[in-house]
Amino acid sequence: DQQVKQNSPSLSVQEGRISILNCDYTNSMFDYFLWYKKYPAEGPTFLISISSIKDKNEDGRFTVFLNKSAKHLSLHIVPSQPGDSAVYFCAASDTSQGNLIFGKGTKLSVKP
Amino acid sequence: NAGVTQTPKFRILKIGQSMTLQCTQDMNHNYMYWYRQDPGMGLKLIYYSVGAGITDKGEVPNGYNVSRSTTEDFPLRLELAAPSQTSVYFCASSYSRNTEAFFGQGTRLTVV
Repeated sequence: DQQVKQNSPSLSVQEGRISILNCDYTNSMFDYFLWYKKYPAEGPTFLISISSIKDKNEDGRFTVFLNKSAKHLSLHIVPSQPGDSAVYFCAASDTSQGNLIFGKGTKLSVKP
Repeated sequence: NAGVTQTPKFRILKIGQSMTLQCTQDMNHNYMYWYRQDPGMGLKLIYYSVGAGITDKGEVPNGYNVSRSTTEDFPLRLELAAPSQTSVYFCASSYSRNTEAFFGQGTRLTVV
């Protein structure tokens, strides 16, 4: 039973365009959400996060949107760059526990 | 800045052998996590700890054990290794539940 779902295994985008990565969750106790980026043979690195009291958080080219009623969040990358090509993981933290649950990831390819 | 250090980086085990994956962090973080990443399956939480002396099961704890005797160290023990435990293992730490987690470089384990 997946609590955090990333239904698109891959996404291909042209350089300069917008990349939109989606994530759905089922556990209503999740109140903190994070996006991580991972290159092959490396550990994931933190990208951006959002608390459930907000619906948007921006950091440079990266913006995360949270729709609590739909239990959905998305990561927007504008403009996309070839260096953004990586696997992106969505993660969520449960307010009643100390765990951090990840989705399966979406592989983003940004083509020049 | 060492961050989160995992050893070893690679290991081949025979079926039935046991081993300990080491993880240490120098950031004085309270929370520590162990994940495994199988191809196409994202990161699955094995065990986590919210502080020294406290551990809790994650999504896939069977076949593993952990201990947290100090703030810095969070070793993962595999008893009676099985081929199904072939995976890449990541250790992570965070200051609190609602802060970013930092990951180690991973341990690639093969059980033959």
